Amino acid sequence: EDQVTQSPEALRLQEGESSSLNCSYTVSGLRGLFWYRQDPGKGPEFLFTLYSAGEEKEKERLKATLTKKESFLHITAPKPEDSATYLCAVYYGGATNKLIFGTGTLLAVQP
Amino acid sequence: DGGITQSPKYLFRKEGQNVTLSCEQNLNHDAMYWYRQDPGQGLRLIYYSQIVNDFQKGDIAEGYSVSREKKESFPLTVTSAQKNPTAFYLCASSIGLGPETQYFGPGTRLLVL
Repeated sequence: EDQVTQSPEALRLQEGESSSLNCSYTVSGLRGLFWYRQDPGKGPEFLFTLYSAGEEKEKERLKATLTKKESFLHITAPKPEDSATYLCAVYYGGATNKLIFGTGTLLAVQP
Repeated sequence: DGGITQSPKYLFRKEGQNVTLSCEQNLNHDAMYWYRQDPGQGLRLIYYSQIVNDFQKGDIAEGYSVSREKKESFPLTVTSAQKNPTAFYLCASSIGLGPETQYFGPGTRLLVL
């Protein structure tokens, strides 16, 4: 069964303490991996799309990387406003044309 | 400002009642989607539509229905056949099907009275 697993489930950081979130997948023939940020009670906000192993994308304190089996979202010197749930999704093509979502990592950054 | 709007923000359903969630987009996207989000689970696809007057079932379509009469609109009806409707419902759109970025609306929280 195609799966997307995110770890850790929850992460608490001090302001300025860098760390990484992981998204591993078992989907064969990856065609796209997506990172989103979701604040409580709101819809997911798009962050990055990665299409091939070795690709990297950056935005402010966030950097996403992709290998053949996993993706990392690196957070450098986080601030309290980075607190949110970060979702990873993998595009699974074939007949179903759908994204498979992980359950997310809840990040809390304390001042 | 281009974007996706969903209404209402909160919706209450009584037993045996059908309710309709609205989703409108002005991004000129062809593809639209409905997802359900429950605590501790990843988003699950209910229905999606590639073009007007065409839509496909997702993983959990039972108890739901949709229509796509206009490119901009993709309403979702939660029917009385859906026995566990309490959830956060998210509408999304993308330029087309395939590995295209999906953009999400703000969501509708459905609660059962």
